[in-house]
Amino acid sequence: AQSVTQPDIHITVSEGASLELRCNYSYGATPYLFWYVQSPGQGLQLLLKYFSGDTLVQGIKGFEAEFKRSQSSFNLRKPSVHWSDAAEYFCAVGDDKIIFGKGTRLHILP
Amino acid sequence: NAGVTQTPKFRILKIGQSMTLQCTQDMNHNYMYWYRQDPGMGLKLIYYSVGAGITDKGEVPNGYNVSRSTTEDFPLRLELAAPSQTSVYFCASSYSIRASADTQYFGPGTRLTVL
Repeated sequence: AQSVTQPDIHITVSEGASLELRCNYSYGATPYLFWYVQSPGQGLQLLLKYFSGDTLVQGIKGFEAEFKRSQSSFNLRKPSVHWSDAAEYFCAVGDDKIIFGKGTRLHILP
Repeated sequence: NAGVTQTPKFRILKIGQSMTLQCTQDMNHNYMYWYRQDPGMGLKLIYYSVGAGITDKGEVPNGYNVSRSTTEDFPLRLELAAPSQTSVYFCASSYSIRASADTQYFGPGTRLTVL
């Protein structure tokens, strides 16, 4: 069965620090993987997606993610977070039907 | 372009009442979706549509109905509201049903409380 696990419900980092949000997936075929961000009171916005090719994917707002097939992971990273990055982040897998993880809420300390 | 718009933004219903959540997109997308988001649970697909006149069930369709009479509109109907339907509802649309080919664009959501 297809599934997505985001092991961290909440993560707190200081402004300017680096960030890594974890995502593990289970998918029967070649996975299509996504990261979405949801700012408070807003809908979801696509940060980046992976289908094939280079395993390091660049997205918007300075985010990147690395696909590791051996670990079934697709972790999201940012070298230096800004206060405006405080939001909820969702990892997702699928193609015609997308399955979302439960989300990781990112808190930024000034 | 307004993108995907949803009305209302907030609504409180009593148990057993009915209501329709409106969703409109102006991007001429064929594919439209309704999700519900419960705290700590991510998004669950309720219904989706591949074009005017064609709808299909998602993961959690019970208690909901949809229709798609035009390309632009995809209303979600709750006939007998129950407390379990308290949630935030998101409408989305895309050019292709395949996420590999296109992004889903989300509306701002409707926060529904059933008391």
